Amino acid sequence: SQTIHQWPATLVQPVGSPLSLECTVEGTSNPNLYWYRQAAGRGLQLLFYSVGIGQISSEVPQNLSASRPQDRQFILSSKKLLLSDSGFYLCAWSRGYVAFLSEPQHFGDGTRLSIL
Amino acid sequence: GENVEQHPSTLSVQEGDSAVIKCTYSDSASNYFPWYKQELGKRPQLIIDIRSNVGEKKDQRIAVTLNKTAKHFSLHITETQPEDSAVYFCAATPTGTASKLTFGTGTRLQVTL
Repeated sequence: SQTIHQWPATLVQPVGSPLSLECTVEGTSNPNLYWYRQAAGRGLQLLFYSVGIGQISSEVPQNLSASRPQDRQFILSSKKLLLSDSGFYLCAWSRGYVAFLSEPQHFGDGTRLSIL
Repeated sequence: GENVEQHPSTLSVQEGDSAVIKCTYSDSASNYFPWYKQELGKRPQLIIDIRSNVGEKKDQRIAVTLNKTAKHFSLHITETQPEDSAVYFCAATPTGTASKLTFGTGTRLQVTL
């Protein structure tokens, strides 16, 4: 069966510091990968998605970036964090392209990021 | 792009009653509609989904209905229990978009004893 791992679970960072959140998926090949942010009590905002190694699509302009160095690894980064970057960051995966079908997304346990 | 609206934002029901959450979507090309349940501080979990070639789908106490003409879909929970208390999100996606979901804003369901 497929599993998704996301770490760290919680992170407290000062304003202006860098960020690196990592997500890995096991038990599947060539998944679609996604990064979401969820502000407290709010909905899910798609930040980035990837359909393959090195292929990143950005949904929201911001000071965050994403990379996919390996098939089942997705990394969210920032060079300088802002107060507004606080939130609950969720990684998700879905099966890769299945002809003419959309696939469900499955979420990791998330990283709760607090910026001081 | 797709726009999904979800109502109500909060819903309180007594244990044993039914709960209904409604969503509308804007893109007629959308053909996949999942529902997620998120408990406080936890990850969203898929509870049921429906594709556009089906009008209704049921899984025990949970059912989803889809009206493609009106572009709306609904989640029905019968015989609600306290453990059903959570935030529920609907979502929609068209084919060929890397399964990129557009989520509704969520409904906080509270089941009271």
